[in-house]
Amino acid sequence: GQSLEQPSEVTAVEGAIVQINCTYQTSGFYGLSWYQQHDGGAPTFLSYNALDGLEETGRFSSFLSRSDSYGYLLLQELQMKDSASYFCAVRDEGRDDKIIFGKGTRLHILP
Amino acid sequence: DTAVSQTPKYLVTQMGNDKSIKCEQNLGHDTMYWYKQDSKKFLKIMFSYNNKELIINETVPNRFSPKSPDKAHLNLHINSLELGDSAVYFCASSQDQGQGYTDTQYFGPGTRLTVL
Repeated sequence: GQSLEQPSEVTAVEGAIVQINCTYQTSGFYGLSWYQQHDGGAPTFLSYNALDGLEETGRFSSFLSRSDSYGYLLLQELQMKDSASYFCAVRDEGRDDKIIFGKGTRLHILP
Repeated sequence: DTAVSQTPKYLVTQMGNDKSIKCEQNLGHDTMYWYKQDSKKFLKIMFSYNNKELIINETVPNRFSPKSPDKAHLNLHINSLELGDSAVYFCASSQDQGQGYTDTQYFGPGTRLTVL
């Protein structure tokens, strides 16, 4: 069946760099998305990778390797406001374009 | 201007009641969704509507029924509420594939449903 795996929690220090990994298993694949969700808030879109490589948007970058069914979200110059949950998501082309979210990675940032 | 809005934000009700959650998007998107996020933060799609047609119907109980009067609105009606229905329900919308497609989902603020 289809699934996404990402770590449940990651802890990093303010100002540092952190990488959140995501591996996926789908019967078809369009691309990998990342969303951020603060406590009590709604998920907000961060990035989308359809092709292999690194996409950079400010302090956040996202990487995809289609051959490895793997991607990651890289957060640089961490700020306390980056404390949130981060979800990877795919649209499974082989399953009626069903959208699947990972279980989320809770990022804790220490001062 | 709010892109995706939901009402109510909080909903507390007794078991067995029937309730509705409303969603509206002013982005001109073709597809709208309902998601359920449980206490463990697991986000799971329930329904998807494209141009008023149901295109995904996850294995949710038939007590849940989506209604789309037009492509800007997707309401969720829940019959005979159960304790396990307590969760945060998010509405979302997205644009169909096209040039520059990024598969971005725009989420509403969520409705926290508590069933007593």
